[in-house]
Amino acid sequence: QVQLVQSGAEVKKPGASVKVSCKASGYTFTSYDINWVRQATGQGLEWMGWMNPNSGNTGYAQKFQGRVTITRNTSISTAYMELSSLRSEDTAVYYCARGPGDFDPWGQGTLVTVSS
Amino acid sequence: SSELTQDPAVSVALGQTVRITCQGDSLRSYYASWYQQKPGQAPVLVIYGKNNRPSGIPDRFSGSSSGNTASLTITGAQAEDEADYYCNSRDSSGNHLRVFGGGTKLTVL
Repeated sequence: QVQLVQSGAEVKKPGASVKVSCKASGYTFTSYDINWVRQATGQGLEWMGWMNPNSGNTGYAQKFQGRVTITRNTSISTAYMELSSLRSEDTAVYYCARGPGDFDPWGQGTLVTVSS
Repeated sequence: SSELTQDPAVSVALGQTVRITCQGDSLRSYYASWYQQKPGQAPVLVIYGKNNRPSGIPDRFSGSSSGNTASLTITGAQAEDEADYYCNSRDSSGNHLRVFGGGTKLTVL
């Protein structure tokens, strides 16, 4: 079955970077976009950016421009989201989701905690 | 950029029909997709395109659109439909950028 499996929880200090992975299985990785979405505790969903795994083309929400980088390794069907210059407000669950547009399925989520 | 606006909370009596709406300028040009999220779980796609349901989504869920408003309708709401619902659409600036609505908490009474 189509599945996205994300890496485990992370704890980071303010100013550091975090890199979350998303491993795809059950379909051809390069045939569908990967999107990244985050959700702070008790808050709504926030779209961060997307990537076409075939071309490597990316697009980012204006809010995250300059701080987020989405990459991939097609040989292992894995996408990555790296967020830099972390601050406490970046504490959230980060999800990957297969696209384009209609996000299905989603990964299980990765909790990133930013704390000194 | 673009914004999508949802009512924060809606309630419905068990077995009745409820409509959850999403407003935004980009909806004049692009369809919304709808996601259901239960506590502690990842979101699940329930409606996409004009009015399409992924496999496994009950047919009591339907979608529609008019002008700048997209709607998710649950006909005969069940207790298990109590959840947060989010709309998503393309940002009006294009280039594959997307945006979510703020979410609607549905309570089934």
